[in-house]
Amino acid sequence: GENVEQHPSTLSVQEGDSAVIKCTYSDSASNYFPWYKQELGKRPQLIIDIRSNVGEKKDQRIAVTLNKTAKHFSLHITETQPEDSAVYFCAASTRGSSGGSYIPTFGRGTSLIVHP
Amino acid sequence: KAGVTQTPRYLIKTRGQQVTLSCSPISGHRSVSWYQQTPGQGLQFLFEYFSETQRNKGNFPGRFSGRQFSNSRSEMNVSTLELGDSALYLCASSLGLNQPQHFGDGTRLSIL
Repeated sequence: GENVEQHPSTLSVQEGDSAVIKCTYSDSASNYFPWYKQELGKRPQLIIDIRSNVGEKKDQRIAVTLNKTAKHFSLHITETQPEDSAVYFCAASTRGSSGGSYIPTFGRGTSLIVHP
Repeated sequence: KAGVTQTPRYLIKTRGQQVTLSCSPISGHRSVSWYQQTPGQGLQFLFEYFSETQRNKGNFPGRFSGRQFSNSRSEMNVSTLELGDSALYLCASSLGLNQPQHFGDGTRLSIL
């Protein structure tokens, strides 16, 4: 099955700095890569996603890059703010064993702390 | 549009009991997935339902089961509860294959 490694597990930055979180995946058939933000005690929320036919996608201060050859993708947050502090999860979706749907495999999460 | 609703928010059970959790997806979403979230294992896929059919199942024992109704609402059942079943159980709905998933607030299950 799919295996997703996420690094670092904890990332501490100063307000205004950039933050980069990296994920690698094992299944070359994976073709959908979402990123979720989960604040303490709240639900995970989709912040950006990318499909395998695209190399980069940007939404304001957030960007995701995908390298299919190397099987890794990264989340970039620029001009970080204290409200960006949360746990961020990456995921890679591949077809399940029954072939009927895509199952996301999640990374273990990165705790981002933005110091004012 | 109302988001994904999970009930109850909190549950306390004892070992050996069983529990049923409920999830109401976003209107129009036919795919409902369930996840277990723990500090040690992170987010782990339990199963996914689409149009009342289970399409995929994760690596969990048969004590974990689910179903989906014709209105896309889904339930998850865990029988013979064990201490290790203590976790946050999240439900997510989406339009279908490889579409963005929208999570509910989860049900926090504590086993005593």
